[in-house]
Amino acid sequence: DAKTTQPTSMDCAEGRAANLPCNHSTISGNEYVYWYRQIHSQGPQYIIHGLKNNETNEMASLIITEDRKSSTLILPHATLRDTAVYYCIVLSGGSNYKLTFGKGTLLTVNP
Amino acid sequence: EAGVAQSPRYKIIEKRQSVAFWCNPISGHATLYWYQQILGQGPKLLIQFQNNGVVDDSQLPKDRFSAERLKGVDSTLKIQPAKLEDSAVYLCASSRWYLGSSGNTIYFGEGSWLTVV
Repeated sequence: DAKTTQPTSMDCAEGRAANLPCNHSTISGNEYVYWYRQIHSQGPQYIIHGLKNNETNEMASLIITEDRKSSTLILPHATLRDTAVYYCIVLSGGSNYKLTFGKGTLLTVNP
Repeated sequence: EAGVAQSPRYKIIEKRQSVAFWCNPISGHATLYWYQQILGQGPKLLIQFQNNGVVDDSQLPKDRFSAERLKGVDSTLKIQPAKLEDSAVYLCASSRWYLGSSGNTIYFGEGSWLTVV
């Protein structure tokens, strides 16, 4: 499985953009990058996923480098409710896709 | 669309007792997962079902954990006998089919919190 490397923690001011980096240098050509987050005492919540192109939805944007070895999740206007652990996951392939979680990045949004 | 339902939300048992967790996935989702999340760690996959068949149970401690998904819908995860190190959140999740396809993703329930004393 392709492994990911994320900072342990990050801080962001409320209203500013939060940029969460992720390194996945061993990713294979057919593996997706998924982002989930987990707010305290809740189950993980899907944010966004992508393969090669940049992606955007109502929650966030995902920027994947051309060589696909790293990506950045962007929360354009962070709020206090965005304080959570953010997981960057490379989807392991094969006949039974499954999400393998690391330790993630604790994002703290400060007022 | 209703989410993944789990019960009970919280459970406290003594070591060597047994416990069972129930999960009802999102309607129409063929794939069901059970994850274990120990405090301070990311979720770890225990078992994955495709309809009512097991796809992956490589990390399930089969001497004490068991899971079934009768009729390919609801699922039950059982621990017998429980150990102190089983204290964790047990997360159920589901997805329509195999992941990776456009628009397909995995949805998690709120989890069942187990404390073994």
